[in-house]
Amino acid sequence: DGGITQSPKYLFRKEGQNVTLSCEQNLNHDAMYWYRQDPGQGLRLIYYSQIVNDFQKGDIAEGYSVSREKKESFPLTVTSAQKNPTAFYLCASRGPGGNQPQHFGDGTRLSIL
Amino acid sequence: ILNVEQSPQSLHVQEGDSTNFTCSFPSSNFYALHWYRWETAKSPEALFVMTLNGDEKKKGRISATLNTKEGYSYLYIKGSQPEDSATYLCASGRDYKLSFGAGTTVTVRA
Repeated sequence: DGGITQSPKYLFRKEGQNVTLSCEQNLNHDAMYWYRQDPGQGLRLIYYSQIVNDFQKGDIAEGYSVSREKKESFPLTVTSAQKNPTAFYLCASRGPGGNQPQHFGDGTRLSIL
Repeated sequence: ILNVEQSPQSLHVQEGDSTNFTCSFPSSNFYALHWYRWETAKSPEALFVMTLNGDEKKKGRISATLNTKEGYSYLYIKGSQPEDSATYLCASGRDYKLSFGAGTTVTVRA
């Protein structure tokens, strides 16, 4: 089945540690996104990539980094500079053409030890 | 960041009843309005993408309308069923940068 796979489902970070969240898609989509969800808030865009080897900062990029070396993969690294990383993280992709919906993974919940 | 608001934050509906809720967004420079359904322990699923003022979309018992001049969209659920229990998200903006509302959580009581 085509879709988006995020791993792990749960992740714990120690103080001062960088952690990487995986996002893989087999939908052959060019565009991919990372969102963060906090209680009572809408999804907030961290980074997005419209094509391989290119990515742009979203609204809350500080303390995060990404890479897009392959079309199917868009990993997100939460660095030690992100002081409040506890949140639910969603990865999404979008097909070609205008006004296409986004397709989401199941998410990763990150907590601080 | 576009200011997208949804109301109410949550609502409870008796099985068989119909309900509706609102998404408000800036009417200037409107591009598109998305609706997603997010069931517990699953990933958000796209319901509709709407672009034209006056648009109406329907998927089974769920329908949506769009007013881009005044900046709002309604989502309607007709004859609610327990499987309609979910958080409904709306988002507005361009393809590469959507702004999401916080969602309306619908609980259908049997």
